[in-house]
Amino acid sequence: DIQMTQSPSSLSASVGDRVTITCRASQSISSYLNWYQQKPGKAPKLLIYAASSLQSGVPSRFSGSASGTDFTLTISSLQPEDFATYSCQQSYSTPWTFGQGTKVEIK
Amino acid sequence: QVQLQESGPGLVKPSETLSLTCTVSGGSVSSGSYYWAWIRQPPGKGLEWIGYIYYSGSTNYKSSLKSRVIMSIDTSKNQFSLKLSSVTAADTAVYYCARVINSWPYYFDYWGQGTLATVSS
Repeated sequence: DIQMTQSPSSLSASVGDRVTITCRASQSISSYLNWYQQKPGKAPKLLIYAASSLQSGVPSRFSGSASGTDFTLTISSLQPEDFATYSCQQSYSTPWTFGQGTKVEIK
Repeated sequence: QVQLQESGPGLVKPSETLSLTCTVSGGSVSSGSYYWAWIRQPPGKGLEWIGYIYYSGSTNYKSSLKSRVIMSIDTSKNQFSLKLSSVTAADTAVYYCARVINSWPYYFDYWGQGTLATVSS
């Protein structure tokens, strides 16, 4: 199975901060990498697919990039509604696997 | 707007079978453009893909769960279902159903709200 490792596992940030979350795959997954946002008690919401494509309706402050087996989710200016847990997911091969999540908390 | 809604018992006894159904509205499970998936999340932990089913009935299950999982689809009711047998406390989780685009890059674009299934005697 492909392992997805996110870092950090949690972070504290202030409104307006630039936030970067990293996801590393245990092997090459091309651009088969998706990012989800999950708020407490809610289902995950798709933010980014294919490493860098923004899902319709998602604010442009969210962006994704890739470099080899490392993938990055960036929030350019953190907003109050962005405090949540973010998870990456590889869809290169089944079993599709998720990172353990990064919790973004208010500083 | 596509909506998915999970339903099923919230409490299951150890060694019994967990049965969940996902009802889809605003879209059709008969569409050849999607897979229909189950994902679970144990309390306080990350997401785990369980498997998916296609409108034709073909399935793809996570290998470690394969011996205990059966998925089915009912196009007349626009529903798909999950059965997980011989459950233990380790199967306690929020279970989500989701729609998957069945071509590159295979992402989950719509999710149900989730349903907590607790395994306990």
